[in-house]
This record gives sequence, C-alpha cells and structure tokens, in this order.
Amino acid sequence: AQSVSQHNHHVILSEAASLELGCNYSYGGTVNLFWYVQYPGQHLQLLLKYFSGDPLVKGIKGFEAEFIKSKFSFNLRKPSVQWSDTAEYFCAVSRFSGGYNKLIFGAGTRLAVHP
Amino acid sequence: NAGVTQTPKFQVLKTGQSMTLQCAQDMNHEYMSWYRQDPGMGLRLIHYSVGAGITDQGEVPNGYNVSRSTTEDFPLRLLSAAPSQTSVYFCASSRGQGAIYGYTFGSGTRLTVV
Repeated sequence: AQSVSQHNHHVILSEAASLELGCNYSYGGTVNLFWYVQYPGQHLQLLLKYFSGDPLVKGIKGFEAEFIKSKFSFNLRKPSVQWSDTAEYFCAVSRFSGGYNKLIFGAGTRLAVHP
Repeated sequence: NAGVTQTPKFQVLKTGQSMTLQCAQDMNHEYMSWYRQDPGMGLRLIHYSVGAGITDQGEVPNGYNVSRSTTEDFPLRLLSAAPSQTSVYFCASSRGQGAIYGYTFGSGTRLTVV
C-alpha cells in the first residue's frame, strides 16, 4: 500500500535558521507530489507541487522542495525561517485509484519558530 | 469570495445522534472529498465524489454516508455519532483529474462527540 512518511513530527527553530522537512513515499509509478501548510486555526493551503520537469520546485513564501526519484523523497526547504512560518506542514502524494487521483497525506510536521 | 464553504464550524453531539456536515463550492469543481484530521495521523480520506451522482469510499468510510445530487454540494452524514468520530473534518474540491491540480480546502468543522 502506498504511504507517505514524514520523519519529523515536531521541529523547533529560531528565526533565520534553515529548514528542511523530510518526506518519503512508497509508490513505484508516476507520482504527483504536494506540500500543504496549515497555520494555527486555519485550513490547509497549497505551498507547492511537483508534476514533472525540473525536480527543484519553488513555492510560495520562499519555500522550495526537491524531488529525488531514486530516494522516493520530496523534502521541503527554506533558507531562513520566520516566526510567521509557525504551522503544521503536510506532504501528500496523489495516487490514481478508481479513476480518480486521490491525495494521500503524511502525518504532518509541526514547526515552531521562536523569535 | 469563491471557495469551499463548510458549516457548521463547531458542533458537539451526543453519542448516537445523527447530523449532516455541509460542504459547498462555487468553482464548478467536479471532484470533492471529505477528510478527517486527527493528531499524529494527518488527513485521512473518508469519501469522495468525481461528479454529481457519483461517490465512492476512501480510507475510513465506516459510520459516514455521502451523496452528490449537485456539482456544488457534497454533504457528509454521521448516522449514529460515536466518540471515535471526534475530529476535525475538512471538505476539499478540485478541478480536472482529482489531485493533479491540487485541492482547495474548506475551513473545517470541529466535531466533538460526548
């Protein structure tokens, strides 16, 4: 069965520190990959997505992610975090089943950024 | 503003009660889904729909029913609420082939079953 693993459940950083959140998936076919962010008390918002082409994907708010097919990974990065990046981050993989691409989510990583 | 609207935002139910969580979108999206979010488990797919009149089960469908009579609406029914259904519920919609274009999520319904 396809799964999405996010290895860091909680991350605490100081402002200006660099961020990397890990995401691995288990699926041998073509995949579409996503990172979503959920700010406290809000709904999920799309940060970035990968379908094909350049494996380095740039998203909103200075985030980027790199798709490494050989490692089945899609790690999220940001060179310098801000207090406003405090949120929960979800990696997701689309899976084609029953004529429909369904999103399978990882368990999420809760990021706290201290001033 | 265009988007996905969920009502109510908060609900407390007693065990055994039934209720319907409402979801409406005004983007003419074909694909709609219901997820539940539980701590440490991410979002899990309950039911989904690929168009009016067509629904199917996701990962955790037990205890929930759905219908899709119109493109805009995709209500989720809890037939007999149980404490295990305490969760935050998100409705999402997407155009085209499901998740390829990314989902638009509603603001969620926080449900507590006592």
